[in-house]
Amino acid sequence: DVKVTQSSRYLVKRTGEKVFLECVQDMDHENMFWYRQDPGLGLRLIYFSYDVKMKEKGDIPEGYSVSREKKERFSLILESASTNQTSMYLCASSYGTFARSPLHFGNGTRLTVT
Amino acid sequence: GENVEQHPSTLSVQEGDSAVIKCTYSDSASNYFPWYKQELGKRPQLIIDIRSNVGEKKDQRIAVTLNKTAKHFSLHITETQPEDSAVYFCAATLNNNAGNMLTFGGGTRLMVKP
Repeated sequence: DVKVTQSSRYLVKRTGEKVFLECVQDMDHENMFWYRQDPGLGLRLIYFSYDVKMKEKGDIPEGYSVSREKKERFSLILESASTNQTSMYLCASSYGTFARSPLHFGNGTRLTVT
Repeated sequence: GENVEQHPSTLSVQEGDSAVIKCTYSDSASNYFPWYKQELGKRPQLIIDIRSNVGEKKDQRIAVTLNKTAKHFSLHITETQPEDSAVYFCAATLNNNAGNMLTFGGGTRLMVKP
């Protein structure tokens, strides 16, 4: 069974802090994603990566960056956290053609920015 | 831009009744339509998906139908049980800023009353 692990379940940060959200998958998947989940808005794609050191912007990349130095690890970085980035963040991975393959999600990190 | 609309946002049914959730999409080139179920406090998980070359797919009590002409697809759950209570997300591959990506609907909270 695919395991996608997010380093923190809950996180509280102050406005202006730099925040790192870490995600690791154990199934050698090529593709990794970061989504943001807000009530009524579904899951919105922030960034994705289809290979090591490759990254592509999703629908809402502003205020975020990512890093993929190793195949199994995909990090989401909030350069200067703001209150409107308070949300649930979900990491996911998939294999093959990423727009037609099942996503395997982590348990999520609930981030609160005060 | 391209998007996916999902209705209703909440749905309450009696145990044993059927539940139907509908989604519409805007990109006529969309070719992959998965459905994810997210139980309270858990990660979203794929429950069924359909590709554009078929009109219907069934898996025990759940089925998905696709009408490419009208650009809508639906999830049908028969003989609902309390464990079906969850948030359900539809998704479709849409061509947006990031190329061909999975875009999610806003979610439907299904409550099955015993």
